[in-house]
Amino acid sequence: NAGVTQTPKFRILKIGQSMTLQCAQDMNHNYMYWYRQDPGMGLKLIYYSVGAGITDKGEVPNGYNVSRSTTEDFPLRLELAAPSQTSVYFCASSSKGTGVATNEKLFFGSGTQLSVL
Amino acid sequence: QKEVEQDPGPLSVPEGAIVSLNCTYSNSAFQYFMWYRQYSRKGPELLMYTYSSGNKEDGRFTAQVDKSSKYISLFIRDSQPSDSATYLCAMNLNYQLIWGAGTKLIIKP
Repeated sequence: NAGVTQTPKFRILKIGQSMTLQCAQDMNHNYMYWYRQDPGMGLKLIYYSVGAGITDKGEVPNGYNVSRSTTEDFPLRLELAAPSQTSVYFCASSSKGTGVATNEKLFFGSGTQLSVL
Repeated sequence: QKEVEQDPGPLSVPEGAIVSLNCTYSNSAFQYFMWYRQYSRKGPELLMYTYSSGNKEDGRFTAQVDKSSKYISLFIRDSQPSDSATYLCAMNLNYQLIWGAGTKLIIKP
């Protein structure tokens, strides 16, 4: 059972370069999320999707783009990498949304450690 | 002021000790409270959740919520070296979770 798979695990970018972080889940979950995790800070939501073709901004979307053409895949695009985007990125999925009235469990991938130099 | 405050630690205790991990929060609208455990170089995984105030027990773990004080706790009894990890609290509001910074816990054999 693969769950949520993220690639690559590590990447070093130069300032101004672009890249796509890949995320795939095999649990047929409708909801998918991208978070970043910085030392001493909580997880911050970048973008989320409630189903194929539907995406929305989270708390820290600037500098990132997403698409959701299938239920399984939710790639995160960095267009012009900046040192402030150095972080660990986590993709997650859930069968329902993390709304006020639910206690929905998130399933996380193992993360992508990105350094922008 | 952050919406959710959590001491980053590290917290180092001997094997077998009772561990207490805590978070405070400022928004009284939070209703569900969760604890995730994160091993090094891994994604977080849900450990426990509680709704509103009260206690919830699961094996060696007890989650406690005090909404009047805006304070949640996770207790670990008979701590084991395998409990060494970072513990993150999370609370949901509208469509997203609000996370604490995480407390790094080290259990010494």
